[in-house]
Amino acid sequence: KAGVTQTPRYLIKTRGQQVTLSCSPISGHRSVSWYQQTPGQGLQFLFEYFSETQRNKGNFPGRFSGRQFSNSRSEMNVSTLELGDSALYLCASSYSQGFSAEAFFGQGTRLTVV
Amino acid sequence: GQQVMQIPQYQHVQEGEDFTTYCNSSTTLSNIQWYKQRPGGHPVFLIQLVKSGEVKKQKRLTFQFGEAKKNSSLHITATQTTDVGTYFCAGRGSNYKLTFGKGTLLTVNP
Repeated sequence: KAGVTQTPRYLIKTRGQQVTLSCSPISGHRSVSWYQQTPGQGLQFLFEYFSETQRNKGNFPGRFSGRQFSNSRSEMNVSTLELGDSALYLCASSYSQGFSAEAFFGQGTRLTVV
Repeated sequence: GQQVMQIPQYQHVQEGEDFTTYCNSSTTLSNIQWYKQRPGGHPVFLIQLVKSGEVKKQKRLTFQFGEAKKNSSLHITATQTTDVGTYFCAGRGSNYKLTFGKGTLLTVNP
């Protein structure tokens, strides 16, 4: 079956702009999580959605937001981009939100803010 | 909040040497997962440990979960060049949130 699909793969934006990233989970998976990966900070948890509801949230400013649609696809939005937002944004899907859920990651979207 | 510390940050070994990475959580975990990320790739699930004191093996990889369910380790015996990558532990707390350690970058000299 198809894996987790993230679009676009690469993105260059200017400071102050906003950006929307998309994630299509594995068919049948209802949980989608977003992570920001940078060389110095590793994988930082942004938020998790399950059945269109945000279930967990990381420690990121309100400029970072997300949503999940009824087909489990998810989007994350970053407004008023800053240089420090340059990172690889990874989406991971799980079958459930249960404690034994294994996360399947997409290839990521590499965002560069100039 | 829950914090997961992982050491070392980097490890360079000669092919054939052993390698170990350690993970410590500030809180008791429901379970711990391990992922591997190859250079330029995305994290890929390796294994999950759930029970206190659990030990699991995958060929040359041995995973342990501490008795208090707050620490874990991954040991690779006789490393190969194909083991190169960053190994992450990820602890799941009572709120289901998965918190990743910063990872250990393993490089192997052939």
